[in-house]
Amino acid sequence: AQSVSQHNHHVILSEAASLELGCNYSYGGTVNLFWYVQYPGQHLQLLLKYFSGDPLVKGIKGFEAEFIKSKFSFNLRKPSVQWSDTAEYFCVVHGSSNTGKLIFGQGTTLQVKP
Amino acid sequence: GAGVSQSPSNKVTEKGKDVELRCDPISGHTALYWYRQSLGQGLEFLIYFQGNSAPDKSGLPSDRFSAERTGGSVSTLTIQRTQQEDSAVYLCASSLAGQGGYEQYFGPGTRLTVT
Repeated sequence: AQSVSQHNHHVILSEAASLELGCNYSYGGTVNLFWYVQYPGQHLQLLLKYFSGDPLVKGIKGFEAEFIKSKFSFNLRKPSVQWSDTAEYFCVVHGSSNTGKLIFGQGTTLQVKP
Repeated sequence: GAGVSQSPSNKVTEKGKDVELRCDPISGHTALYWYRQSLGQGLEFLIYFQGNSAPDKSGLPSDRFSAERTGGSVSTLTIQRTQQEDSAVYLCASSLAGQGGYEQYFGPGTRLTVT
């Protein structure tokens, strides 16, 4: 069965610290990969996506993620976090055999201390 | 432009009652999805519409759950004989088309509480 595993459930960082959130997925075919973010009191919104091409993708607000096919990983990174990055982050997979349905990881709650 | 809207934003109902949750997708989006976000279960896919048809209903947890979409636009998720385990945030999303290459835009959700 397809699944997505996020390494950390809750991360606490100080402002200016670097961030890396781990994500591994289980799927045998071609995948599209996403990171979605949910800021407190707001909708889920797309942070970045990978479909093909350069495995290092850049998203909004200085975030980036690297797709490593051999490791089935899609880790999210940001060199220097801000208090406004406090949110819940979801690693999301769409498998090529799916109709469009997204498979979500459990989510990682990031708390940035000012 | 207008995003995905959902109503009501909150719904409290008694166990055993039926509820209807509504989703208005972004205009022009042919694909519509329902997901459920609950403690302990995370975010789960329920059903996918392409136009008015539902080619993937694999996530509906029981036959108490049903959904329809009319006019290629508004969708209603109905839960019959609600149970306490149905308490969750129900999210609707829409995208330009149904393949995975299109970003899904999420609504604010309906928080359902079954007492």
